[in-house]
Order: sequence, then C-alpha cells, then structure tokens
Amino acid sequence: QKEVEQDPGPLSVPEGAIVSLNCTYSNSAFQYFMWYRQYSRKGPELLMYTYSSGNKEDGRFTAQVDKSSKYISLFIRDSQPSDSATYLCAMSAGAGGTSYGKLTFGQGTILTVHP
Amino acid sequence: EAGVAQSPRYKIIEKRQSVAFWCNPISGHATLYWYQQILGQGPKLLIQFQNNGVVDDSQLPKDRFSAERLKGVDSTLKIQPAKLEDSAVYLCASSLTRDRPNFGPGTRLTVT
Repeated sequence: QKEVEQDPGPLSVPEGAIVSLNCTYSNSAFQYFMWYRQYSRKGPELLMYTYSSGNKEDGRFTAQVDKSSKYISLFIRDSQPSDSATYLCAMSAGAGGTSYGKLTFGQGTILTVHP
Repeated sequence: EAGVAQSPRYKIIEKRQSVAFWCNPISGHATLYWYQQILGQGPKLLIQFQNNGVVDDSQLPKDRFSAERLKGVDSTLKIQPAKLEDSAVYLCASSLTRDRPNFGPGTRLTVT
C-alpha cells in the first residue's frame, strides 16, 4: 500500500465548475500538507500549505485537512482554463527526525477545464 | 527572487552511458533536494542536503547514482551507468527551512 493515494483522473470540467481533488494517507507522522500545481513540462509550484486540521482559503482555492480520517482535499471555485494542470498532493513529517523536509507525493490528478 | 535553475533541460543518452545534471538553488536556501519523477507518477525524493551534508539518501540507488553539493550551494547529480528505467524528469528543489521546497523546471532524461 502506498503511503499517499491520489486518484490520477483525468478529470474534465467546464469553466466555472467547482473542482474537488482528494488524497488519502496512511502515515500518522505526516504533519504538513501541501498542494502543488504542475503545468506540462514545468516543475511543481506550491499552491497551498497547511499543518493543521480544518480549512485554509486562498482566493479561489481551499485546502481541507482531516487528520482523524487521514484525508485531504483541494477545492477550486470558479475554475478557469488556466487551471488545467496536474495537481499533486504532498505531505511531510514534523521536525525532529531525519525525514523532516522529505515530501511524499501522491500520483497527481490531471485536470482539464474546458472553456 | 530568481528561481531554482537546472541544466540541461533535456538529455537523451543510450543505456550504460553516464550523465550529469546541475542545479543552482535559490540564494540563501540551505536545503537542497533531488527528486525523480517518472511519467504519470508523483516526484520521489532521491537525496536531501542540508548545507553540505546529506540528510536523507535512503532512496538513492547508490550503485549508479551519486550527488554532491559544492560549498553548500550548487549541486550535481550523476548517473553511471544509466538504465532504461532511469528515464524520468529529475527535479531539483531548494528551501530556506526544511519545508515548502521551491522546484526548478527539471531535466527530462530519456535513456534509449
């Protein structure tokens, strides 16, 4: 079983739709949770970062973490064609161990937003 | 702030040949990472440096891969000899503290 599971999609939605992306994880040591966006032939770009259960909002993006269920989500409101990319969830353990800073990624979900 | 720089951007080699990638992190970033991203998968950490020292290289295939970080700044990743399964994008990343790495554009390696 992989430490982080993410549905690879692909996911295709019309412009303006609300998009929901999800990841589950099995390692209870994960304390920090991130969402990266990766355009074709580019490196991943950090979108959202959180370290606690609950919601964090930034513009059209909302990250949700439920540590009790080991489940994280990213919601995109009013999706735009420019949001078309691969979305990667990533997580890491807390400070104090040698694995601090090591990100474990999900497989990535390919999203296409049609005009 | 200039981003993480990597070169070359693309490389095609035959199996059993050697190859080297170069990375220049964001100025002042103490932590440097090399990740391998196989097509259709998320990046996987190969090695993590904190300044000059190696923090984590548990997933680096040490019989063929090597990496060094010179004077705590630039880094090189080498593969010798390359195998077909090494075809991937090699991403360098850096961070000020040991979280939220900033990624470079990657080097796309094709081994034929």
